[in-house]
Amino acid sequence: DAKTTQPPSMDCAEGRAANLPCNHSTISGNEYVYWYRQIHSQGPQYIIHGLKNNETNEMASLIITEDRKSSTLILPHATLRDTAVYYCIVRVDAGRRALTFGSGTRLQVQP
Amino acid sequence: NAGVTQTPKFRVLKTGQSMTLLCAQDMNHEYMYWYRQDPGMGLRLIHYSVGEGTTAKGEVPDGYNVSRLKKQNFLLGLESAAPSQTSVYFCASSYSRGGTSGTYEQFFGPGTRLTVL
Repeated sequence: DAKTTQPPSMDCAEGRAANLPCNHSTISGNEYVYWYRQIHSQGPQYIIHGLKNNETNEMASLIITEDRKSSTLILPHATLRDTAVYYCIVRVDAGRRALTFGSGTRLQVQP
Repeated sequence: NAGVTQTPKFRVLKTGQSMTLLCAQDMNHEYMYWYRQDPGMGLRLIHYSVGEGTTAKGEVPDGYNVSRLKKQNFLLGLESAAPSQTSVYFCASSYSRGGTSGTYEQFFGPGTRLTVL
């Protein structure tokens, strides 16, 4: 299984960009990088995913290194509502479409 | 469009009691899942279903049973509750598209907080 390593916690000032790193050095060629977040006590929410190229949507940007061994989720202008646990997931069981969650990074956006 | 809903939101059980958690989705998704989340930890897969009438075990299936009699509903049963099953339970659903496309976006419900005394 492709493992991910994320820092347990990070702080970010409101209005600034939040850059959340993820290491996934054992990722295989057909595995995607997914990011979800979980705001306190709520169900996880999909943010973005990618394979090789950088991706951007209305919520965030995903930067994947050329060797695919690491990635960074960027929240361009963090708000207090972005305070959450962010999960980087690369192991996806193609047979059952399940997700394997690690411990994630707890992002605290400071006013 | 309600998305994924879960019933009940909270429940307290005594050891040995039984209960059923209901998950419903209105997105016509083929795949549905039950996860549990213990304090300070990530989600772990209990059971899942790839279509009406089919179910399969996940990582932590012991002590739970599931049924998917209708496409939109996925039920999680605890036959004899134990304190170790105190947790927050999340249901999720997704389309069956995927394979090489990797589009495994899952939609999660708000959770059921279960305490077993």
